[in-house]
Amino acid sequence: ETGVTQTPRHLVMGMTNKKSLKCEQHLGHNAMYWYKQSAKKPLELMFVYNFKEQTENNSVPSRFSPECPNSSHLFLHLHTLQPEDSALYLCASSGGTVFEKLFFGSGTQLSVL
Amino acid sequence: AQKVTQAQTEISVVEKEDVTLDCVYETRDTTYYLFWYKQPPSGELVFLIRRNSFDEQNEISGRYSWNFQKSTSSFNFTITASQVVDSAVYFCALRGAGTASKLTFGTGTRLQVTL
Repeated sequence: ETGVTQTPRHLVMGMTNKKSLKCEQHLGHNAMYWYKQSAKKPLELMFVYNFKEQTENNSVPSRFSPECPNSSHLFLHLHTLQPEDSALYLCASSGGTVFEKLFFGSGTQLSVL
Repeated sequence: AQKVTQAQTEISVVEKEDVTLDCVYETRDTTYYLFWYKQPPSGELVFLIRRNSFDEQNEISGRYSWNFQKSTSSFNFTITASQVVDSAVYFCALRGAGTASKLTFGTGTRLQVTL
């Protein structure tokens, strides 16, 4: 079993749909992250949670709504997305200190039609 | 502001060739951390190495080696005797030591190793 598990692996949704991405980590980490990966762009940090509290929101539009019910689970709720939101969404976790490496999930490939 | 530049978008090599992936960074922090991650076709980024700004020793791990040069703000990654399994996208990243510092990634270099 991998350390960070993301579901679903692929998601196609219309602009009026509501869907959620799920991330689960089995590493005992305190920090969890959402990143967006678009073609030919650097990974964009979206949200950071430490001990279930959101510590960073990197100017993400409100159509993306994160939820962290506990240190092991992280959700990204999606509502009225735009085609330009199509990307690979990666979840990661770490122990929480600045020098620690991140452990990533395999991502959810999202297509917005 | 921090910035990481990976000027090589794609590199193709034949198996057993050596290949170097370039990474140049910018930061105002005096203490910072540099990372390399590998993203295979399966999607998840895999940590390869972390280097502290105060440790300029080069590092070798099997076929992988890293050349950290503070004078040129570079942290290059060399794969010796490349293999098909090395085919992936490789990301260089930088983070300052302050708690408010963010991990900044480069745009990645796609490495294709063919037989």
